[in-house]
Amino acid sequence: RKEVEQDPGPFNVPEGATVAFNCTYSNSASQSFFWYRQDCRKEPKLLMSVYSSGNEDGRFTAQLNRASQYISLLIRDSKLSDSATYLCVVNKKTGRRALTFGSGTRLQVQP
Amino acid sequence: NAGVTQTPKFQVLKTGQSMTLQCAQDMNHEYMSWYRQDPGMGLRLIHYSVGAGITDQGEVPNGYNVSRSTTEDFPLRLLSAAPSQTSVYFCASRPEGQANYGYTFGSGTRLTVV
Repeated sequence: RKEVEQDPGPFNVPEGATVAFNCTYSNSASQSFFWYRQDCRKEPKLLMSVYSSGNEDGRFTAQLNRASQYISLLIRDSKLSDSATYLCVVNKKTGRRALTFGSGTRLQVQP
Repeated sequence: NAGVTQTPKFQVLKTGQSMTLQCAQDMNHEYMSWYRQDPGMGLRLIHYSVGAGITDQGEVPNGYNVSRSTTEDFPLRLLSAAPSQTSVYFCASRPEGQANYGYTFGSGTRLTVV
């Protein structure tokens, strides 16, 4: 079983739609949680950190449920420019001081 | 402020050749790491470092060596290239003690081994 699992996608949605991505992680020692965005043939870029209290950044809302080991990302009012692959990422409290990535969910926003 | 710089951007190697992928950051970040990205596999950790002189293996270290003689530089060496090492390689860094900060990534090196 992968340490971080995501919806396989792709998600094809019209402009203006609301779309939700889900992610589960298996290691309860995970400490920090992130959503990264990766455009085709580019490096991953941090979209937002995810906190237990939930956090919002404009049209993007992220939620963390530590009890269920579940992370979500909600994008409201999708734009064409939101088309990308969204990576769910966790950082453990102990052991390897580096990130563990999900394989990503591809989003295609259509006009 | 250049961030994380990777060179070269593209490289073609013959099987058995060796080479070094360069990674440099100018943000005084203690933590640095190397990942490879293959289609459908996500990013996998090769090696990482928590400071100068300290390195450790990640998930897929075989065939790669690293060293960290300075805070700024974290080169990745391919000892004897194999076609299975064809991939996109990313270097990333973050400050120590900033677990919620997230990592900054370089723009990647696309390596093809023929």
